[in-house]
Amino acid sequence: KAGVTQTPRYLIKTRGQQVTLSCSPISGHRSVSWYQQTPGQGLQFLFEYFSETQRNKGNFPGRFSGRQFSNSRSEMNVSTLELGDSALYLCASSLAGGSYGYTFGSGTRLTVV
Amino acid sequence: AQKVTQAQTEISVVEKEDVTLDCVYETRDTTYYLFWYKQPPSGELVFLIRRNSFDEQNEISGRYSWNFQKSTSSFNFTITASQVVDSAVYFCALSEKNTDKLIFGTGTRLQVFP
Repeated sequence: KAGVTQTPRYLIKTRGQQVTLSCSPISGHRSVSWYQQTPGQGLQFLFEYFSETQRNKGNFPGRFSGRQFSNSRSEMNVSTLELGDSALYLCASSLAGGSYGYTFGSGTRLTVV
Repeated sequence: AQKVTQAQTEISVVEKEDVTLDCVYETRDTTYYLFWYKQPPSGELVFLIRRNSFDEQNEISGRYSWNFQKSTSSFNFTITASQVVDSAVYFCALSEKNTDKLIFGTGTRLQVFP
């Protein structure tokens, strides 16, 4: 079966712009989580959605937001981009959350210039 | 507070050597889940194993084995007869029962030389 699909794979944006990243989970998975990976901070949890509701949120500013659609696809948005937002953004899908394990996508590498 | 520590930043071995990656975790919860993921240069996190806190049985999968010891809060990963294709960054992660998020360690970069 198809894995977790993230688009686009690479993105270059300018400071101050906004960006939207997309994630299509594995068919049947209802939980989608987002993580940010940087060399300095490592892998950090952004937020998790289950059945269109945000269940958990990490310690990120309000510029980072997300949503989940009825088909479980998810988008995350970053507004007013800063240089420090340059990172690999990884999406993970799960049947219903932590106890079921997570499957990750290949990520979107965002570069802010 | 939840925390995962991977003290080994980088390990280099020659092919066919055995190598153990250490993982120590902290949690106050009695129900939790531990994971190992592999991240090759392509960036995707590849799931290797999931273990719940009530299952302390060690597990072996081919050349991979895992040693879970609640007494020392450790969940170590051993690769037997390493191969060049094992070169990657390996992450240990913890998820508590009602949080639905993964807390990752800082990762261990494994380089296997021919």
